[in-house]
Amino acid sequence: DAGVIQSPRHEVTEMGQEVTLRCKPISGHDYLFWYRQTMMRGLELLIYFNNNVPIDDSGMPEDRFSAKMPNASFSTLKIQPSEPRDSAVYFCASGSGGWLVSNYGYTFGSGTRLTVV
Amino acid sequence: KQEVTQIPAALSVPEGENLVLNCSFTDSAIYNLQWFRQDHGKGLTSLLLIQSSQREQTSGRLNASLDKSSGRSTLYIAASQPGDSATYLCAVRPRDDKIIFGKGTRLHILP
Repeated sequence: DAGVIQSPRHEVTEMGQEVTLRCKPISGHDYLFWYRQTMMRGLELLIYFNNNVPIDDSGMPEDRFSAKMPNASFSTLKIQPSEPRDSAVYFCASGSGGWLVSNYGYTFGSGTRLTVV
Repeated sequence: KQEVTQIPAALSVPEGENLVLNCSFTDSAIYNLQWFRQDHGKGLTSLLLIQSSQREQTSGRLNASLDKSSGRSTLYIAASQPGDSATYLCAVRPRDDKIIFGKGTRLHILP
C-alpha cells in the first residue's frame, strides 16, 4: 500500500486566492482526518469523516475553510479566500474503526506545506 | 475535555544513554494511545500503538507503557543514537474518535 497520499507537497499562493489540498486515504480505512500544524499551536484537528460523512468540523477555524469527501478514496480541504495566517503544514490521516477500534491507529500523509504571502 | 501534555518540551542527551519521554492525559476513557515520530519538516511516523487493555508495547529499542488509571504513558528509548533525534508526539484516541495530540518532545541526541 502506498500509504496516505497528499498533494501538493508545497503550495505558495497570494493572499485572497483559493487553495485546494488533496488527500487519498489508505484503501479500506473508514476514517479520514485533516490536521493543521503550526509552531505555536502544534497539531490541531480541523475536521474528520467516517464513511465519507463529516462527523465533527468544530475545529475548522472559520467559514473560509471547507472540506469534502465525495468518495472513500478522495478528500479535499479548501481555503477561500486564503490569508497569511493560514500558512501551516496541513496533514491528512486515515484509520479504521469497527468493533476492534482499540486495535487501530492512524496513518499520516507527508503533509502539504502552505505559504500564503 | 481531553488534554494531552508532554514533558519535557525539549531534551538533549549524549549518545548511548537510555531516556524516557512522558505523556499525560486528562480523561482515561480512551481506545488507545499512539506514539509518533516526526523528523524536521516531515510527516508523522507511527512508532507504537497501545490498546486500552494493554500496559506496554515494545519495538526494537523502544518500549511504551500505558497506565490508564493515572492518565500516563512513557516512551523508553534504550541506547540512544544520533538518528533518534526528532520530535516525539503522543496521541490518544478517545471514545469520540477525535484523536488528540500533545505538543511533542524535541529530542536531540549528542554524538
